[in-house]
Amino acid sequence: SQQGEEDPQALSIQEGENATMNCSYKTSINNLQWYRQNSGRGLVHLILIRSNEREKHSGRLRVTLDTSKKSSSLLITASRAADTASYFCATAGNTGGFKTIFGAGTRLFVKA
Amino acid sequence: EPEVTQTPSHQVTQMGQEVILRCVPISNHLYFYWYRQILGQKVEFLVSFYNNEISEKSEIFDDQFSVERPDGSNFTLKIRSTKLEDSAMYFCASSEFSGRGEISGANVLTFGAGSRLTVL
Repeated sequence: SQQGEEDPQALSIQEGENATMNCSYKTSINNLQWYRQNSGRGLVHLILIRSNEREKHSGRLRVTLDTSKKSSSLLITASRAADTASYFCATAGNTGGFKTIFGAGTRLFVKA
Repeated sequence: EPEVTQTPSHQVTQMGQEVILRCVPISNHLYFYWYRQILGQKVEFLVSFYNNEISEKSEIFDDQFSVERPDGSNFTLKIRSTKLEDSAMYFCASSEFSGRGEISGANVLTFGAGSRLTVL
């Protein structure tokens, strides 16, 4: 299985603090993506990092990728109450059919 | 901004009944997916569809499930005889590219809002 697994499972922080979520995966990948899900709603794509990239930024988001350790991290800086959501990493392999697999997710709660 | 639309938003059915969930992917997307999420749990891959055929399916996607793209715009998921454990949120997604190969565009998925299926 190529599934990514995130940790921590849940994270509670104060507004203004940084939130870091980690993801591990098992197989070789073309890219790794992070998605966000507000309660009970569809997932929304946040950021993608390709296998030949080590770090990527988008606004308050910073993603790192270490292919030697098969791991990635998502950092949200200066968190806001509106960042409260579940965050999932997703990977797609190089072989077989077209399949993007999501990890179990990290539930982030940002207290105002 | 283009979006993936799903209907119905909520369906309640009796065990053993057939259910069809409908999705309209983004018009220029070529790759289509169904996922499901049991309440509070992970988002599970069911099936991907490309060029009018199933590209890959998971162990969950057994003979009770089928997908179809009947008219070039809709993408449907059928569950022939629903079980209690089929109760979940079902998400349709589409992507423009497969993400394969260095020159391929990225497989960024756009999700619909989901169809909540409740089997009684």
